[in-house]
Amino acid sequence: AQTVTQSQPEMSVQEAETVTLSCTYDTSESDYYLFWYKQPPSRQMILVIRQEAYKQQNATENRFSVNFQKAAKSFSLKISDSQLGDAAMYFCAYRRISNFGNEKLTFGTGTRLTIIP
Amino acid sequence: SQTIHQWPATLVQPVGSPLSLECTVEGTSNPNLYWYRQAAGRGLQLLFYSIGIDQISSEVPQNLSASRPQDRQFILSSKKLLLSDSGFYLCAWRGQGVRMNTEAFFGQGTRLTVV
Repeated sequence: AQTVTQSQPEMSVQEAETVTLSCTYDTSESDYYLFWYKQPPSRQMILVIRQEAYKQQNATENRFSVNFQKAAKSFSLKISDSQLGDAAMYFCAYRRISNFGNEKLTFGTGTRLTIIP
Repeated sequence: SQTIHQWPATLVQPVGSPLSLECTVEGTSNPNLYWYRQAAGRGLQLLFYSIGIDQISSEVPQNLSASRPQDRQFILSSKKLLLSDSGFYLCAWRGQGVRMNTEAFFGQGTRLTVV
């Protein structure tokens, strides 16, 4: 079974600085998707960024980028120029790929990010 | 555009009472639908998922059940709530397809407190 591990329950960063959130996963599959979701105090789950395992290039979305190390099964999220609105719970998630397209998302336990003004 | 609605937002129920949480999706057809539970300070645990009408898969044995009476409607139910059923429940949908519609979209969630 696939597992996703986030070893940092809490992180904090000064506003405008850069922070990296860690995520490791365990799978025997070679093709899969990885995601970072953000859950602000409103509890709405919002997709931040996704990465296809078959792509070597790291995904980027504005101030958010990932460091995808497939061999090490590592998928970290870097937030540059941190803003107060980035304060949230961040979840790493994994989904394998099959011909049926109905696979579930497996989530890590989350990292609570605090932005210090 | 697609939207997902989940209600109620907050619910306080006594132990032993029934439960019905509803989730509907608009703007798409034949979505994959999911119910997740998030306990305090923990990640999301998948409870049920559905790939079509009346097609429900359960991930964990529990006091809950799910139904999908219509293509875009997903219902989470219980006949008798337990204290341990308290938590935050999230409904999500994802489009069908292997390489398309890769991410899941979540509803606003329901905070259930069993007293």
